[in-house]
Amino acid sequence: QSALTQPASVSGSPGQSITISCTGTNSDVGSNNLVSWYRQHPGKAPKLMIYEVSKRPSGVSNRFSGSKSGNTASLTISGLQAEDEADYYCCSYAGSRNFEVIFGGGTKLTVL
Amino acid sequence: QMQLVESGGGLVKPGGSLRLSCGASGFTFRDYYMNWIRQAPGKGLDWLSYISSSGSTIYYADSVKGRFTISRDNAKNSLYLQMNSLRAEDTAVYYCASPSITVAHGFHIWGQGTMVTVSS
Repeated sequence: QSALTQPASVSGSPGQSITISCTGTNSDVGSNNLVSWYRQHPGKAPKLMIYEVSKRPSGVSNRFSGSKSGNTASLTISGLQAEDEADYYCCSYAGSRNFEVIFGGGTKLTVL
Repeated sequence: QMQLVESGGGLVKPGGSLRLSCGASGFTFRDYYMNWIRQAPGKGLDWLSYISSSGSTIYYADSVKGRFTISRDNAKNSLYLQMNSLRAEDTAVYYCASPSITVAHGFHIWGQGTMVTVSS
C-alpha cells in the first residue's frame, strides 16, 4: 500500500482556519471510517487529534474537526494558534484482507 | 493515567539484532491490542506491526515481515519487538502505541519512543 497523499506544507495566520487534505484510495480511506489524525511537535511523540474520521478525544480542542468525502479525508483547524504549528499526519486502516494501517506523508503547518 | 514506556534502543551493526520493550502502566494492558510504529529521521510515521490483546493474532507490514517479531507478556504488562537482520533503513525512532478505554480505533496512547541506529 502506498502512503496517503497529504500536502507537504500549509500555512495560516493566527485566528484563521486551515484545512489539510489526505487522499487515499477505495482500499483505504474510501473503504472505512477508521481515519485518524495526529499532531507531532519536533522531538515529541505524535498526539491523537481526531479518530474515526470526525471524533475528538477528550481534551482535544473543538477547534479541530475532521471529515471525509469519498477517498479524501480532511482535518480543519479553526482559530489558528501558535501552538498549532507542527507536523500533522493522517492515518487509515487499509486491511481489506489483512490488518494494515497506512499513514500519510505528513504536512508541516506553519503559523505565520 | 495510561502510560507506555519504550526501552532497548541503541546502536547496532547491519545484520545484527535488537529487542525493544514497551512497558505499560495505568490501564489493564491485557484488554488492548498493541502496535509498533516507527519514524526514520526527518521522515513520516510508518506502521510496523499489530498484536491482539491475547497475542493470538499478529500482523506485520511487508517491510519487516520475516525479520521482526512482535510479542507480549500480559502478566508483565509488556510488549516486545524482536528485530533481526537489521538494515540501515531500519534506523528510526520506534514507538509503541495503543487505543484506550475511550478510543477503540486510533493510536491514543504513545510511548516516548526509543532510537534505533543501524550503522557499521
